[in-house]
Amino acid sequence: EDKVVQSPLSLVVHEGDTVTLNCSYEVTNFRSLLWYKQEKKAPTFLFMLTSSGIEKKSGRLSSILDKKELFSILNITATQTGDSAIYLCAVAPASGGSNYKLTFGKGTLLTVNP
Amino acid sequence: ETGVTQSPTHLIKTRGQQVTLRCSSQSGHNTVSWYQQALGQGPQFIFQYYREEENGRGNFPPRFSGLQFPNYSSELNVNALELDDSALYLCASSLRGTHGYTFGSGTRLTVV
Repeated sequence: EDKVVQSPLSLVVHEGDTVTLNCSYEVTNFRSLLWYKQEKKAPTFLFMLTSSGIEKKSGRLSSILDKKELFSILNITATQTGDSAIYLCAVAPASGGSNYKLTFGKGTLLTVNP
Repeated sequence: ETGVTQSPTHLIKTRGQQVTLRCSSQSGHNTVSWYQQALGQGPQFIFQYYREEENGRGNFPPRFSGLQFPNYSSELNVNALELDDSALYLCASSLRGTHGYTFGSGTRLTVV
């Protein structure tokens, strides 16, 4: 059974700090790893990673995948109170070329204090 | 381009009752997936619909069932509700063959 483990489960930082969120996974026939931000209800897409060692970057957020060691990290620099949210990591298996289920971790609850 | 819309936003039901949740997929998307997110947990895959047929199912009992309509909208039905069914139910639409999942804001179901 596919498995995703995120750490830490919760984190409290001050504005301006840099944080690193971790995601390790076990999946049969890996296709991609995705990061989502969930503030209230709807998870919103951040990154999709398919190739090892290639950093994806969007503003203060960046992410990288290590397919050999089966993990990914999400970095947030110069954190702001608006970054407070649950960050979800999910893996998608290749399954006959179709969209198929995402397996999520429990998420990391990030709280950024002013 | 409209996003994914779900209704209702909140719902309270009594144990043993039945519930129907609704989802309108994003314009251009033809696949709908449903997820259950219990408090403090990540979303768990319930099932996916494509071309009005179930296209994969997670570890949920048969009392969880669904439908997809010709306009790609979808329903999730849960019979014989149990207290543990209390959760946020998320719908995600996508275009088959792509990675682009768009989530709705969910329906918060409370079973008392």
